[in-house]
Amino acid sequence: GAVVSQHPSWVICKSGTSVKIECRSLDFQATTMFWYRQFPKQSLMLMATSNEGSKATYEQGVEKDKFLINHASLTLSTLTVTSAHPEDSSFYICSAPVGNSRGDEQFFGPGTRLTVL
Amino acid sequence: SQQGEEDPQALSIQEGENATMNCSYKTSINNLQWYRQNSGRGLVHLILIRSNEREKHSGRLRVTLDTSKKSSSLLITASRAADTASYFCATAPTGGGNKLTFGTGTQLKVEL
Repeated sequence: GAVVSQHPSWVICKSGTSVKIECRSLDFQATTMFWYRQFPKQSLMLMATSNEGSKATYEQGVEKDKFLINHASLTLSTLTVTSAHPEDSSFYICSAPVGNSRGDEQFFGPGTRLTVL
Repeated sequence: SQQGEEDPQALSIQEGENATMNCSYKTSINNLQWYRQNSGRGLVHLILIRSNEREKHSGRLRVTLDTSKKSSSLLITASRAADTASYFCATAPTGGGNKLTFGTGTQLKVEL
């Protein structure tokens, strides 16, 4: 099946610094990618939809100036957590749908665990 | 919140037994998908059932969908210790493109 990678797999940073997470579709092109965050023992919450060639669409309550998303190419989307604080510590997961039909199966990256000290 | 509910939250069974997880959702949907997540890892797609389907099988998995009740169930037959994981349902709402809304998840533990 299709493969989605994320880098880094884990990162520890100091409060106030910015962290960039990459999401790549390795063997297919993705005009849309999704970013989720997941707190321990909880479900995935959609943060934003990354659109190649246009601005990302953010879910209600997600600060677009804090979570910067750039969909630089058909195979790469990046999420930058700016001025990170301990409450931003979480598991961040990206996904990309495969296929042209709406509501198709999605392939998920392995996730990035962010710890902010 | 539009998040779906899953029950049970946690399920512990013996190897060889069947495991059933239920999912309820709130909006009309294009399809419903089930995913598996091992601890601290990404999600693996298990099965997708479209709104006009009522039942689907894949190996040891059986999924049902009742759109009138806005509910779905995932049955894993003859469970194995390797099935231990968290299982999530996710719905693709009608008119929502490829956006998925995840359920709260069921933590399954299969003991030897």
